[in-house]
Amino acid sequence: AQSVTQLDSHVSVSEGTPVLLRCNYSSSYSPSLFWYVQHPNKGLQLLLKYTSAATLVKGINGFEAEFKKSETSFHLTKPSAHMSDAAEYFCVVSAPGNQFYFGTGTSLTVIP
Amino acid sequence: EAGVAQSPRYKIIEKRQSVAFWCNPISGHATLYWYQQILGQGPKLLIQFQNNGVVDDSQLPKDRFSAERLKGVDSTLKIQPAKLEDSAVYLCASSPSQGLNTEAFFGQGTRLTVV
Repeated sequence: AQSVTQLDSHVSVSEGTPVLLRCNYSSSYSPSLFWYVQHPNKGLQLLLKYTSAATLVKGINGFEAEFKKSETSFHLTKPSAHMSDAAEYFCVVSAPGNQFYFGTGTSLTVIP
Repeated sequence: EAGVAQSPRYKIIEKRQSVAFWCNPISGHATLYWYQQILGQGPKLLIQFQNNGVVDDSQLPKDRFSAERLKGVDSTLKIQPAKLEDSAVYLCASSPSQGLNTEAFFGQGTRLTVV
């Protein structure tokens, strides 16, 4: 079975400081993992994806994530937060049938 | 490239009424999904189509929800009769194939309020 656990429901950072959003996964297969972002009243946008190539994945808007099999983690990071980063972030794992399983989300607040 | 189109964007109905949502996926995408996102939660898969066949509908409340994708392109999701707990955003997504490395592309969703 596939599932993801997002360890923080809310994260607050000051503008210009690093962002860390934590995700642990469980998968019976070699997983594909994704991070999506959802701004208020907007659709879900793909930030980045891991598909068994490089373990450090770079995405859009300066975000990156590192796949650590030994820790079953796929944490999302950004060196310097921007006000526009304030949104809901979802960690997602996919199964071989291409079903996508979402975490419960992490709400990121950026303090000016 | 046009994205996933959904309509309507917003809908308010009374409980026990019926409602239908429409989705047009990205051209050429064989896989189509409907997700339900209740406020404060992550999206939950309701149904997955591969072309016009159902791959997974294990979490679809079949006593009141139905979905179809007759020609393997656009899709409709219906709720009849609606309950208060159906208030949510209904997201449609599509992906190019069933390959493990493909992502899903999401529409902006339909926000349903049942009063």
